[in-house]
Amino acid sequence: QSVLTQPPSVSGAPGQTVTISCTGFASSTGISNGVHWYQRLTGTAPKLLIYNDNKRPSGVPDRFSASKSGPSASLVITGLQAEDEAEYFCQSYNSSLNGFFVFGTGTTVTV
Amino acid sequence: QVQVVQSGAELKKPGASVKISCKTSGFTFTTFAMHWVRQAPGQTLEWMGWVSTASGNTKYSQKFEDRVTFTRDAAATTVFLEVNNLTYADTAIYYCARGSYSYRLEYWGQGTLVTVSS
Repeated sequence: QSVLTQPPSVSGAPGQTVTISCTGFASSTGISNGVHWYQRLTGTAPKLLIYNDNKRPSGVPDRFSASKSGPSASLVITGLQAEDEAEYFCQSYNSSLNGFFVFGTGTTVTV
Repeated sequence: QVQVVQSGAELKKPGASVKISCKTSGFTFTTFAMHWVRQAPGQTLEWMGWVSTASGNTKYSQKFEDRVTFTRDAAATTVFLEVNNLTYADTAIYYCARGSYSYRLEYWGQGTLVTVSS
């Protein structure tokens, strides 16, 4: 099963900006659909943070932004806050014959 | 508001089976598929498959299709995951999640820890 690759961890001081990459998008692998991002605070369920490459659900602060270009996607957290300390996952859909959902390897953000 | 509430933690012996429930509310149950995802210790999230809440049709990830069964009870707006012939490698947190448009998972349950131990 194909996976999307993320850095294991990133860190930053409060107020700084951090970027999390998610690579592995290519028509050759079948993973070329939109990307979604999830945040999982310790001990809680994942929460949809970004959908369709760059859209925020209602209630998600605008310090979270994202983009996708070619083989990679990125999640950017600007003005890092202590409550942003969590694990972040990207996710997409493999549209090949056996179509299934694929997740990134996950990134732990430490503030 | 949408709620997805899973059953509690389970401790099972190798070779046993486990059945987890996922109760939903706050939306029309038959509109969206429900997905199952697990995370084993030190591993990333793994998508296991989905069940159509309208028809009961299922789609399983190849890794799980031999030992996993998804069912649903539309009257109770609840879906179920059963895993058979458990091994130590099945120790994980199992999540159910409501699907949505553009292949995203919009609402997640709180997770159910399944521990396989002799």
